[in-house]
Amino acid sequence: GAVVSQHPSRVICKSGTSVKIECRSLDFQATTMFWYRQFPKKSLMLMATSNEGSKATYEQGVEKDKFLINHASLTLSTLTVTSAHPEDSSFYICSALARTMTEAFFGQGTRLTVV
Amino acid sequence: GENVEQHPSTLSVQEGDSAVIKCTYSDSASNYFPWYKQELGKGPQLIIDIRSNVGEKKDQRIAVTLNKTAKHFSLHITETQPEDSAVYFCAADQGGKLIFGQGTELSVKP
Repeated sequence: GAVVSQHPSRVICKSGTSVKIECRSLDFQATTMFWYRQFPKKSLMLMATSNEGSKATYEQGVEKDKFLINHASLTLSTLTVTSAHPEDSSFYICSALARTMTEAFFGQGTRLTVV
Repeated sequence: GENVEQHPSTLSVQEGDSAVIKCTYSDSASNYFPWYKQELGKGPQLIIDIRSNVGEKKDQRIAVTLNKTAKHFSLHITETQPEDSAVYFCAADQGGKLIFGQGTELSVKP
């Protein structure tokens, strides 16, 4: 299957700082990327959908000023957690979908810990 | 919007037995239903999927069935092995994005 690379896999940051997570499609052009958040022992909750070259669409309850999403190219989307707080600690997962694909492929996830 | 319910939340079976996980969905417009396996600390991996024009699909020890009328679909794993132990998620497509079930933690005891 197609490969989606997410970086970093783990990150620890101090409260008040910002953290950027990258999601790359390595062998295909992703016209759409999805960002999910997963709490321990919980399901994946969709945060936002980003289409290349346009603004992301955020799900209800997700603060767009806190979770900045950029999808500037067909192979890269970034999620920036701004002014991070301990409650932002979570597992963040991206998935990528090409126009020609029938299903999206997931990255390996990023474990964010805010101390 | 779409709502996906998954049961059971935990499932423990003996090696070699079968395991069945069930999901229901609410949006009759959904037509794509994937199943994912997630191991600890990793992202979900697609293991099998089914579309609404098919009632059943099988891939070696894994099979999925879909009942569109009743709006439920199930994952069947036969001859379970310890390496099948993981969290399994069902999902339903809603206009390109996936709505996930709550997950089932499967434990296969040797």
